[in-house]
Amino acid sequence: DAKTTQPNSMESNEEEPVHLPCNHSTISGTDYIHWYRQLPSQGPEYVIHGLTSNVNNRMASLAIAEDRKSSTLILHRATLRDAAVYYCIRPYNFNKFYFGSGTKLNVKP
Amino acid sequence: GAVVSQHPSWVICKSGTSVKIECRSLDFQATTMFWYRQFPKQSLMLMATSNEGSKATYEQGVEKDKFLINHASLTLSTLTVTSAHPEDSSFYICSAVLAGGADTQYFGPGTRLTVL
Repeated sequence: DAKTTQPNSMESNEEEPVHLPCNHSTISGTDYIHWYRQLPSQGPEYVIHGLTSNVNNRMASLAIAEDRKSSTLILHRATLRDAAVYYCIRPYNFNKFYFGSGTKLNVKP
Repeated sequence: GAVVSQHPSWVICKSGTSVKIECRSLDFQATTMFWYRQFPKQSLMLMATSNEGSKATYEQGVEKDKFLINHASLTLSTLTVTSAHPEDSSFYICSAVLAGGADTQYFGPGTRLTVL
């Protein structure tokens, strides 16, 4: 049980921003929210993580709702290389990750 | 930083043989590593938690005698698939935990196992 909910797929145009939503309504107060992405036949790649405040790094931004029941991964300018399956994960039971089906992002040129 | 490697990247074996997959954290020490497998067009499925110096803990439904895990050092965990059968063919992925705060997992590139 992944305990997160994401749309199955999303589509974006190249060089436009992308907002990938995730619901994690049962998250506890001390659980971080992690985002990864995976290309075919590769291991998941770390994107970003956060606890309460919004977070930025060179890959993306993470906006976390004030009640922490949802978050949004923001890719500021999508490129073709950003096409992947994006997973939103909250740790469970001693920091285990249970992957849901993620969001498959398609980027159109 | 936080690089995890796996070896081999792919392996083909005959049914009934055993296969060992190595997972190494290259630039950090990891007291905890995880093993996952992924079937085509499916998500990652957690198999087991590997803790340095202690026995691995397995998820429900994963046979511990079939999937042997050894975490002998802070940078190496191995998964041995014993008496492999075609249904064990899958993409096996490990992760290593960078301790502190968020306990972020960093994933290896995966190992494609094909059992003939």
